[in-house]
Amino acid sequence: QVQLVESGGGVVRPGRSLTLSCAASGFSVNSYGMQWVRQAPGKGLEWVAFIWFAESDKFYADAVKGRFSISRDTSKNMVLLEMNNLRADDSAIYYCARGATEFDAWGQGTQVTVSS
Amino acid sequence: IVMTQSPATVSVSPGETVTLSCRASQSITTNLAWFQHKPGQAPRLLIYDASARATDTPARFSGSGSETEFTLTITSLQSEDSAIYFCQQFNKWPPWTFGQGTKVEIK
Repeated sequence: QVQLVESGGGVVRPGRSLTLSCAASGFSVNSYGMQWVRQAPGKGLEWVAFIWFAESDKFYADAVKGRFSISRDTSKNMVLLEMNNLRADDSAIYYCARGATEFDAWGQGTQVTVSS
Repeated sequence: IVMTQSPATVSVSPGETVTLSCRASQSITTNLAWFQHKPGQAPRLLIYDASARATDTPARFSGSGSETEFTLTITSLQSEDSAIYFCQQFNKWPPWTFGQGTKVEIK
């Protein structure tokens, strides 16, 4: 059974850092493109970051480029999102998802609140 | 590519049919997916490639369309279908983009 479980969210002050984790089960994260998607309060879904098969193939939304970094921990079958220099407009529920075309599996999300 | 969904909210009685719309700002051929999202749950893939049902998607859910105009039709609506439905394009990425969602309420 394919499952994705996000963790690591919380309340953080502007300018600080946070790392989100996505634990996968039922498949290997090495075999799929993996995504992070977020949803701010009252807003629609916004794609954040993608990692392809090769570690060097990563893409980021313009809003997070240079501040966020996506990676894999293959030993734990996890995908990570390191978020630096956080801003108030980064506050959202962050979802991990599988796929490079349609996203065929999602987690339930983890809440990130950036506030002083 | 901007994805626009309509209506924002629709209220339907059980057993009725509802049609949701998703429009792309440019042609995406049939590279479109539909999702169901209930509060506190993981979004669920319903339809991919505009009209193909994902595994375990009930037959009362059907997708159609191509280029810039797409629809998701739910027939014989059930109470469990109360959710937000959103579309996603994967024709030209990055970025992958989503519609803002349509909330389906059951009367």
